[in-house]
Amino acid sequence: AQRVTQPEKLLSVFKGAPVELKCNYSYSGSPELFWYVQYSRQRLQLLLRHISRESIKGFTADLNKGETSFHLKKPFAQEEDSAMYYCALSGNTGNQFYFGTGTSLTVIP
Amino acid sequence: NAGVTQTPKFQVLKTGQSMTLQCAQDMNHNSMYWYRQDPGMGLRLIYYSASEGTTDKGEVPNGYNVSRLNKREFSLRLESAAPSQTSVYFCASRQYGTGRSEQFFGPGTRLTVL
Repeated sequence: AQRVTQPEKLLSVFKGAPVELKCNYSYSGSPELFWYVQYSRQRLQLLLRHISRESIKGFTADLNKGETSFHLKKPFAQEEDSAMYYCALSGNTGNQFYFGTGTSLTVIP
Repeated sequence: NAGVTQTPKFQVLKTGQSMTLQCAQDMNHNSMYWYRQDPGMGLRLIYYSASEGTTDKGEVPNGYNVSRLNKREFSLRLESAAPSQTSVYFCASRQYGTGRSEQFFGPGTRLTVL
């Protein structure tokens, strides 16, 4: 069963425009949600985790348990935000960690 | 701290050749993972090791074997490489159990099988 769904494979926005990358999950219990970012030909690195409730590089993400979503948002996109973004879920039983298929974000100058 | 390191960075194999991808972490993490990354398919888990001495299959284990050599090292072996195994391979680690935590990734190995 698909645990983490990212419906958009590709997303393009203009510089300065708002951006939202969608993530929905399917999991009973209390998972922990993450966003990872991968810049061109680099390793994945953690961007956000829901329990921290922080803003990193202008990005925020709120866990909506009712809609089982964890969308990533930024009010004003920058060219350096162009990257691949992965939503991930850590289960609360066993050593489970699930990734979505990723969204490639391009910010157009 | 170097974090998670992987060797080699690049490798070209011929069909049928074997090779081992090495991964090491210096964060004293108990869990380690191997993923492959293919365009349009995201990250797919090959094998993982929840703790030293244990390994388990992930989503796409066929054609691979792993060894958790010690707490630091987790290797991935391709016994008889096939073109379908052309991919970028990432190793990751995390400390599971003392509150869930994120995974830390290595720089990846770009493998081409001809």
